[in-house]
Amino acid sequence: DSGVTQTPKHLITATGQRVTLRCSPRSGDLSVYWYQQSLDQGLQFLIQYYNGEERAKGNILERFSAQQFPDLHSELNLSSLELGDSALYFCASSVGGVVGNTIYFGEGSWLTVV
Amino acid sequence: DAKTTQPPSMDCAEGRAANLPCNHSTISGNEYVYWYRQIHSQGPQYIIHGLKNNETNEMASLIITEDRKSSTLILPHATLRDTAVYYCIVRVGVGNQGGKLIFGQGTELSVKP
Repeated sequence: DSGVTQTPKHLITATGQRVTLRCSPRSGDLSVYWYQQSLDQGLQFLIQYYNGEERAKGNILERFSAQQFPDLHSELNLSSLELGDSALYFCASSVGGVVGNTIYFGEGSWLTVV
Repeated sequence: DAKTTQPPSMDCAEGRAANLPCNHSTISGNEYVYWYRQIHSQGPQYIIHGLKNNETNEMASLIITEDRKSSTLILPHATLRDTAVYYCIVRVGVGNQGGKLIFGQGTELSVKP
């Protein structure tokens, strides 16, 4: 158990809908990362937050957004969903946002768009 | 893009050492080498990381060449539960910038009885 908690574990929704994925980082961790893993793309970095502020951005679609709240939990919002958004979404956390801090991953949220 | 090159797959006999190579010829002096593994579709699991020196923990050893252009992850006594995809990652980010992990395709390790 990494200590990173993600909900929901599984989610099925229809095209055009909007969903929110939630992440609670490990106790004491200030940095949160979101990753997407689909069959044809592998593990893709989406976005990173550090203590409530956006720190780094990857190939995150404009239909997707994220935020980190004062209690340090984070949410990833996915809107206008398409079939291609079906994937495993991972949240990860680390103590800080710098290169020497180990990043720990949650077990992921399976999203299926039908 | 990932800055590492790994073989796509490897086999190892149960109980033997598994040696997983990784090339990172363009690594910069302040970039760390990280290793993660992913078992089936579980969350990636941290294994070990290093900068210049060899490192060892309860899971594995990491051997980094003196020029830092390549490294080897060693699982000393592989078990069937070590079957997974292993990712070698050069972690980018300086100071307060980034620190994110960029995953490549990894090496699929199959431990066989």
